[in-house]
Amino acid sequence: DADVTQTPRNRITKTGKRIMLECSQTKGHDRMYWYRQDPGLGLRLIYYSFDVKDINKGEISDGYSVSRQAQAKFSLSLESAIPNQTALYFCATSEGQQETQYFGPGTRLLVL
Amino acid sequence: GEDVEQSLFLSVREGDSSVINCTYTDSSSTYLYWYKQEPGAGLQLLTYIFSNMDMKQDQRLTVLLNKKDKHLSLRIADTQTGDSAIYFCAESRGYQKVTFGIGTKLQVIP
Repeated sequence: DADVTQTPRNRITKTGKRIMLECSQTKGHDRMYWYRQDPGLGLRLIYYSFDVKDINKGEISDGYSVSRQAQAKFSLSLESAIPNQTALYFCATSEGQQETQYFGPGTRLLVL
Repeated sequence: GEDVEQSLFLSVREGDSSVINCTYTDSSSTYLYWYKQEPGAGLQLLTYIFSNMDMKQDQRLTVLLNKKDKHLSLRIADTQTGDSAIYFCAESRGYQKVTFGIGTKLQVIP
């Protein structure tokens, strides 16, 4: 079984809709992250959490919110989706001083 | 702030060596990483190097670090078609978030 899972894997939604992307991990890591990937822009950090009570904005947090429901779960919400939020979204966890990151398989989101 | 730069694309012939280059700006970087992303998948760590090292070798992979020039490279020996992927350079100070480059797409020509 995968250590970091994301649901859904693909989602099509309309402008203005609220959607939630979910991430679960069985690695027992405290640190979790949400990234988005766009062609030519690489991977950009949206939000990160170093433990259940810690939430931090990344470089592109506007238009997004997160919830860390438990050590194993970190969800990303788009309160009112817009077309330029069309992207591939990755959840990741990490451990240790060397911050090795373990990525989920990604959620492909299309906002019409 | 931290910045990591790498070229967008590299094409090599099967059996040749590939060298993917990266530069970074944060002189406090403690760990430097190479991640691989295959089509339709998330990123997977290939290797990392601690900043007090200048080279690390792991089978076909060789990582070179020039800390003075803030330059990191990944050499893949005897490149195979299965090495076709996007390769991300990244850096971290340790116990802190990681900054990724935009990724270099490696195309291996049979």
